[in-house]
Amino acid sequence: GENVEQHPSTLSVQEGDSAVIKCTYSDSASNYFPWYKQELGKRPQLIIDIRSNVGEKKDQRIAVTLNKTAKHFSLHITETQPEDSAVYFCAVRGGNNRLAFGKGNQVVVIP
Amino acid sequence: DSGVTQTPKHLITATGQRVTLRCSPRSGDLSVYWYQQSLDQGLQFLIQYYNGEERAKGNILERFSAQQFPDLHSELNLSSLELGDSALYFCASSVDGGGAYEQYFGPGTRLTVT
Repeated sequence: GENVEQHPSTLSVQEGDSAVIKCTYSDSASNYFPWYKQELGKRPQLIIDIRSNVGEKKDQRIAVTLNKTAKHFSLHITETQPEDSAVYFCAVRGGNNRLAFGKGNQVVVIP
Repeated sequence: DSGVTQTPKHLITATGQRVTLRCSPRSGDLSVYWYQQSLDQGLQFLIQYYNGEERAKGNILERFSAQQFPDLHSELNLSSLELGDSALYFCASSVDGGGAYEQYFGPGTRLTVT
């Protein structure tokens, strides 16, 4: 099946700085790449997604970049705020049409 | 609020017992997905139903089973429970069966097996 890995597992940033989380995958047929944010005790929520025909997508302070050749995509959060502290999961839809999730990155924004 | 509902919110039971978790998808969504989330394993896909039929199977144990009813709500049955089954169980729904669109997650059911 699809192998999805996220790095780093934990990331601490100063408020106002940028945070970047990288996700690698194994299935070259993958074509849909969402990022979910999960705050403590709450459900995962989609924050941004990208499809394989696009290299970059931006939504206010959040952006996702995709490198299909290298089989990785990254979540970029600029001007981080305390409310950005959460666990971020990347997911990949592979050739089997199933969404496989990474194990998550804990992002801590230090005020 | 995602529009996906799950009951119960919390469940405490003993080893060897059987429980049923319930999920109602968003209005109009045909797919229901079940996930298990434990501390060290992230979100593990268990099973997907689309319009009443099983569509995809993930790391679901033989002791677990699920079904989707004609009104599209779904139930996840967990039997012969073990301590290691303690986890947060999420269901999610989406409009399609192919996994290409956003999955909306419910609030989860926290299962504690003692």
